[in-house]
Amino acid sequence: EPEVTQTPSHQVTQMGQEVILRCVPISNHLYFYWYRQILGQKVEFLVSFYNNEISEKSEIFDDQFSVERPDGSNFTLKIRSTKLEDSAMYFCASIRGVLREKLFFGSGTQLSVL
Amino acid sequence: SQELEQSPQSLIVQEGKNLTINCTSSKTLYGLYWYKQKYGEGLIFLMMLQKGGEEKSHEKITAKLDEKKQQSSLHITASQPSHAGIYLCGADPGNQFYFGTGTSLTVIP
Repeated sequence: EPEVTQTPSHQVTQMGQEVILRCVPISNHLYFYWYRQILGQKVEFLVSFYNNEISEKSEIFDDQFSVERPDGSNFTLKIRSTKLEDSAMYFCASIRGVLREKLFFGSGTQLSVL
Repeated sequence: SQELEQSPQSLIVQEGKNLTINCTSSKTLYGLYWYKQKYGEGLIFLMMLQKGGEEKSHEKITAKLDEKKQQSSLHITASQPSHAGIYLCGADPGNQFYFGTGTSLTVIP
């Protein structure tokens, strides 16, 4: 079965540093998502992306966050100046269409901000 | 925004017992997904339900969708330690795909 690939699997950074989390969605998919899960808490929606622009974003996705699809395959999440509370597991997901299809998730990037 | 409330929040069962997890939506459900998350790991797709009254099974896991009640249930028969993890329901994808609050399942051998 096709897979969404995320790199790195673990990222440790100092507070205030910029981090870029990378995702390679499935090749014929059109919609892309980022989610995060703080340890012991719910999986939270961050942002959705379609046709090279943000479709929707949550309150969590403030000015410190940005997403980009720099080429035909990668989908990145950038955190400009990391805070301690950004420590979480970040999941990328993709789907081919919008309605009633399986949402494929990557295995996640565990971000630790020290 | 759509809210998905799961119950119970956590469940501890003896191996071999049956169990049910519920997912209730604040809005009409046009489709419902079930995912499983092993502790500290990624999200594993279990099932997708598209129509009211639909029921799907995979191995010992059965899920049903009741659109009128805006509810879905996940039933595990004869639970095993391999069933342990966090079960998440998710709303139909659109611009924003929501997850439920999660149910943590522990199966005691």
